[in-house]
Amino acid sequence: EIVLTQSPGTLSLSPGERATLSCRAGQRISSGYLAWYQQKPGQAPRLLIHAISSRATGIPDRFSGSGSGTDFTLTISRLESEDFATYFCQQYDTSPWTFGQGTKVEIK
Amino acid sequence: QVQLVQSGAEVKKPGSSLKVSCRASGGTFSTTGINWVRQAPGQGLEWMGRIIPIFETPTYAQKFQGRVTITADESTNTAYMELSSLRSEDTAIYYCARGHYDGTGYYYWYFDIWGRGTLVTVSS
Repeated sequence: EIVLTQSPGTLSLSPGERATLSCRAGQRISSGYLAWYQQKPGQAPRLLIHAISSRATGIPDRFSGSGSGTDFTLTISRLESEDFATYFCQQYDTSPWTFGQGTKVEIK
Repeated sequence: QVQLVQSGAEVKKPGSSLKVSCRASGGTFSTTGINWVRQAPGQGLEWMGRIIPIFETPTYAQKFQGRVTITADESTNTAYMELSSLRSEDTAIYYCARGHYDGTGYYYWYFDIWGRGTLVTVSS
């Protein structure tokens, strides 16, 4: 199975700052089938990005995805208070679909 | 707008079985790809398997083969996930989630709609 490794584990930032989250795959995801989710405590995950860089419906444009091959990035251009949460990447290139272990973005 | 409504929290004994339901409202259930994803306390997400009701045959992650059964009832727009031989490590929130269907026969297995989750506690 494709192992996804996210870094850092925790990111401590202030509102208005830029957040850069990394997701590295153990093998190439040549299809580009890589998604990002946001999860807040006590809630189900919410889809942010699919196909590396396509924003889901209703997701603000401060969220952007990039990357290729084995290295992918989620960028939040200017953090707002509601963005402090945990973020997961997921590959849907090769079954079983797998997730990274998550990056928590916390208020500094 | 499609919604996925899951059954309530459960407490189970080790060795017993669990059955969680996920009812879809809105949309066309027969072509909805329903996935099951679990999350142990404080942990990440783990995909367990999926079913597309119109095709009936489920697909399971190898880790759960032989222990999980996913079914769908088109008469009630409800999918089920049954997990047997429960152990303490199965304590988790179990989510159903919809895979994306483009309407022309192709599925993309990112999850655009999620149920609220069902907390399952396995304890003696």
